[in-house]
This record gives sequence, C-alpha cells and structure tokens, in this order.
Amino acid sequence: DTGVSQDPRHKITKRGQNVTFRCDPISEHNRLYWYRQTLGQGPEFLTYFQNEAQLEKSRLLSDRFSAERPKGSFSTLEIQRTEQGDSAMYLCASSLGGLGGYNEQFFGPGTRLTVL
Amino acid sequence: TQLLEQSPQFLSIQEGENLTVYCNSSSVFSSLQWYRQEPGEGPVLLVTVVTGGEVKKLKRLTFQFGDARKDSSLHITAAQPGDTGLYLCAGLRAGNYQLIWGAGTKLIIKP
Repeated sequence: DTGVSQDPRHKITKRGQNVTFRCDPISEHNRLYWYRQTLGQGPEFLTYFQNEAQLEKSRLLSDRFSAERPKGSFSTLEIQRTEQGDSAMYLCASSLGGLGGYNEQFFGPGTRLTVL
Repeated sequence: TQLLEQSPQFLSIQEGENLTVYCNSSSVFSSLQWYRQEPGEGPVLLVTVVTGGEVKKLKRLTFQFGDARKDSSLHITAAQPGDTGLYLCAGLRAGNYQLIWGAGTKLIIKP
C-alpha cells in the first residue's frame, strides 16, 4: 500500500491559465475527497466521490472548478481561468466507506498552487 | 460559523512542558478524529474516538472524547520538537459521510 499520491506537488501558473491535478487514492478505497486549504486553516471541502459518482460539490466551488473520477480509481481536479484567489494547497483524501465505519480519511501530500 | 472550535489557535512552548488543546462543538458527533499536519504535507490521522468518555493513548499523546460526544481534548506530556505541527480535529455526525473540520491548533515546541 503506497498511500494516497498527488501530482504535481507544486504548480505555478499565470492568472487565466487552466491547471489540472491528479490524485491516486488507496486502491481499495471507494470514497475520494478533494479539499482546499489555506495557510493556518483546516481543510475546506470541495467535492466527494463514491466510486465514480460525484455525490456532492461544495456551494463554494465556482463553475471554473470541475472534478472527475472516470473509473472509480484516480481522480482529476481542473481549475479553468485561474485567479490569484485560487492559490492554496489542494488536498486529496480517500476512505473506505461502509456501514458502521468512521470515514477515517487518508490524505495525500497535496498540490501547492500559486497563481501569479 | 465554525461548527468545531479549536483552542488555542496557536501555542508555543518549551520542550519538556505539558499541554492540552481543545476541540469543542454544540453538535453531537458519532466519532471524532485527530490529525497532525506538518508544513507542506497532508494531514496524518492520529486517532479516532467513538465512545463518550473514551480515552486513547498514543505514546505521550492522550486523547479524550467528552461524555456527551460534543468535545474532545488532546494532552501531550513532555512535548518534544517533533510534536510541532498543526493539530486538526474532525467530527463525523451520525448518518453523514462528510467530516466537519476545525481550523486547527498550530503548535510549536522550542528546543
């Protein structure tokens, strides 16, 4: 088990460009989450997948953000027309959902996005 | 409105001292998790508490879940510089899949 991996670890882009991040969850985990985190704050929920179905998307998420998990394994998060306010750490987590579970989430190392 | 309030927000102490950080809510949780996060990395799960009044120990770290399952505390004995990090609590409400996160306590242990 190699844990949750994310790629890239760092991304610097110019305002207006599109960026895409990838997350590979723990292989047997059916749930996958994307979060955004700014310095000194807790993770802010963005979206959630159970297998390949996107079951919830935060109301804070603008239409410029889209996420996919096409085969229920890896996931991508795309941000279109990036803005300076998008600069943050983007975290992916996975968990094994099921009856009686505690939804313990295991995080990847994150992708640090800087929009210039 | 933060559903989970963590206090203090920031704590800086000398190596060898003891400390307690708190995670409080007016909501009842079916379970509560504590994570530690180091700069530039994702949070790492430390413990999950599920029963009111439960106490779990992880070496020098002691976690307690309140009797009413609305609050939790983390006590560190003889803190070491390696304990430095952002400590986050996250609660799961019955019937939900989404964790409710606190804003974290930033802990610095000075050698």
